[in-house]
Amino acid sequence: KNQVEQSPQSLIILEGKNCTLQCNYTVSPFSNLRWYKQDTGRGPVSLTIMTFSENTKSNGRYTATLDADTKQSSLHITASQLSDSASYICVVVNQAGTALIFGKGTTLSVSS
Amino acid sequence: NAGVTQTPKFRVLKTGQSMTLLCAQDMNHEYMYWYRQDPGMGLRLIHYSVGEGTTAKGEVPDGYNVSRLKKQNFLLGLESAAPSQTSVYFCASSRPSGLSYEQYFGPGTRLTVT
Repeated sequence: KNQVEQSPQSLIILEGKNCTLQCNYTVSPFSNLRWYKQDTGRGPVSLTIMTFSENTKSNGRYTATLDADTKQSSLHITASQLSDSASYICVVVNQAGTALIFGKGTTLSVSS
Repeated sequence: NAGVTQTPKFRVLKTGQSMTLLCAQDMNHEYMYWYRQDPGMGLRLIHYSVGEGTTAKGEVPDGYNVSRLKKQNFLLGLESAAPSQTSVYFCASSRPSGLSYEQYFGPGTRLTVT
């Protein structure tokens, strides 16, 4: 069964610190992997989209990496800000592009 | 450019009542989707549409119906609401530009069925 597992489930860090969120998936083959940010009470917003042939992609202070061999991805947040407090969702798209498999998300809290 | 909008934002229904959720997008996107998000679970696809006049079932379609009469609108209907349909519903849209198409999500509708 196609699955996307994220860890940790929740994380609390101090403002200014870095953090890394993990995503493991069993979807194979796949076409692309996405990271979304979802603020409380809002819809998800795309951060990065990586095809199976890409290893890394950045969007400002967000850097996503992908290892297709081990079926793992990570999202690294640099110099965290209070506005980074949100749920971060990993999504894997199947090869045909017809199905998006969503992880349950990691809830990040940044405190001052 | 409002993007994807959803109406209403909140709704409380009694078991057995019906309602329609409206999704509108002004980006001229071909594809539209309805998802539900429940605590402790990832978003799950209910129905989707790849163009005006077409709809298809997603992962959890039972108890819902949809219509796409106009390209910019995608309606989600609950004919006889059940407590299990208490959830946050998200609409999304995308343009079919290869496999890395980006989905744009609306702000969500929080539905409670008592």
